[in-house]
Amino acid sequence: GQQVMQIPQYQHVQEGEDFTTYCNSSTTLSNIQWYKQRPGGHPVFLIQLVKSGEVKKQKRLTFQFGEAKKNSSLHITATQTTDVGTYFCAGRMNTNAGKSTFGDGTTLTVKP
Amino acid sequence: NAGVTQTPKFRVLKTGQSMTLLCAQDMNHEYMYWYRQDPGMGLRLIHYSVGEGTTAKGEVPDGYNVSRLKKQNFLLGLESAAPSQTSVYFCASRDGNQPQHFGDGTRLSIL
Repeated sequence: GQQVMQIPQYQHVQEGEDFTTYCNSSTTLSNIQWYKQRPGGHPVFLIQLVKSGEVKKQKRLTFQFGEAKKNSSLHITATQTTDVGTYFCAGRMNTNAGKSTFGDGTTLTVKP
Repeated sequence: NAGVTQTPKFRVLKTGQSMTLLCAQDMNHEYMYWYRQDPGMGLRLIHYSVGEGTTAKGEVPDGYNVSRLKKQNFLLGLESAAPSQTSVYFCASRDGNQPQHFGDGTRLSIL
């Protein structure tokens, strides 16, 4: 079945440093979504990418979708303590629009 | 507008007991999902529904059953709870190509 791999599993940074998490799918995706989950909370939608090579920005966050639509990345510039949490990617296949497969997430901790 | 509401928020069961988790959404969404989240494992799809009266198996369906008799409700049942089913359960819903909206989760412990 479809697999979505996400690396790294954990990332510890000093406040102000940059952070990147990568997501790779074994199959071509129709779209990919990114979610953030704060400790003790539920996943909250950040962004959706649909087009090959698409790049979207939200303030200090930059999201990219690969040309082959099989990989994606989330980059945070100059991390802040409010960025702490687990970031998940979720990929949807063309052949089954009913569901998405989540990566295992990257947990970010930020030292002040 | 409550979004996605999960009931109960916490529950402790003994091995072999049964229970039903309720998910209700007031957004008229077609798709609904049940996930379990274990430490370091991310979100694993148990069952999902693409519309009222339909259900389908996800990645980890064994030991669970679901029903979607009404569009707004998606029920997850454990017929005979096992310690391996101790987890946090999240329900989500979406419409069309929109993102998923998650409930606050149900923390279930089975002794």
